[in-house]
Amino acid sequence: NAGVTQTPKFQVLKTGQSMTLQCAQDMNHNSMYWYRQDPGMGLRLIYYSASEGTTDKGEVPNGYNVSRLNKREFSLRLESAAPSQTSVYFCATLGGAGANVLTFGAGSRLTVL
Amino acid sequence: GQSLEQPSEVTAVEGAIVQINCTYQTSGFYGLSWYQQHDGGAPTFLSYNALDGLEETGRFSSFLSRSDSYGYLLLQELQMKDSASYFCAVRGDDYKLSFGAGTTVTVRA
Repeated sequence: NAGVTQTPKFQVLKTGQSMTLQCAQDMNHNSMYWYRQDPGMGLRLIYYSASEGTTDKGEVPNGYNVSRLNKREFSLRLESAAPSQTSVYFCATLGGAGANVLTFGAGSRLTVL
Repeated sequence: GQSLEQPSEVTAVEGAIVQINCTYQTSGFYGLSWYQQHDGGAPTFLSYNALDGLEETGRFSSFLSRSDSYGYLLLQELQMKDSASYFCAVRGDDYKLSFGAGTTVTVRA
């Protein structure tokens, strides 16, 4: 089925460790996004990539880096994890009518101890 | 930058109508959209408006007034399965897409 695949689904890290969240889409969409979701705070935009070869900061980019590897893949890296980065991370791709429809991956739950 | 305001909670009984308002500020405007999220799940797209007026999709409708930077989602004939969080989102310049903090809708029998 067409969609957005995120890995891993769950991860526990110690403070200071690094890790990369992977996202791949097979919808042939140009734009991809990374959000984090914390209780009561909705979805906050970390980074996005309007098209292959471009990336831009969102609302909460500090502590993160991204790579748009090709049209299908958009990864999010935590270089030195902190407890404040404990969250659920969602990758999404933009398409549909008027390019206003986000399709989300299932999410990655990250805990930093 | 972009910012959106929506109520934090709404409670209603089965069969009722609920309206969730959303006001936004954005640099450039390319659409206001709405998403539903059940506990433990990912957000799913419900509706969007790029032009002023009402869009109807089954029991759900969405409205936009660009001059007022305002929109709403209308949920009709509420069912228990509509208990979820609802988010408005605005797409601005350069494909930046930001969300409101979400409205938790609780449907009571």
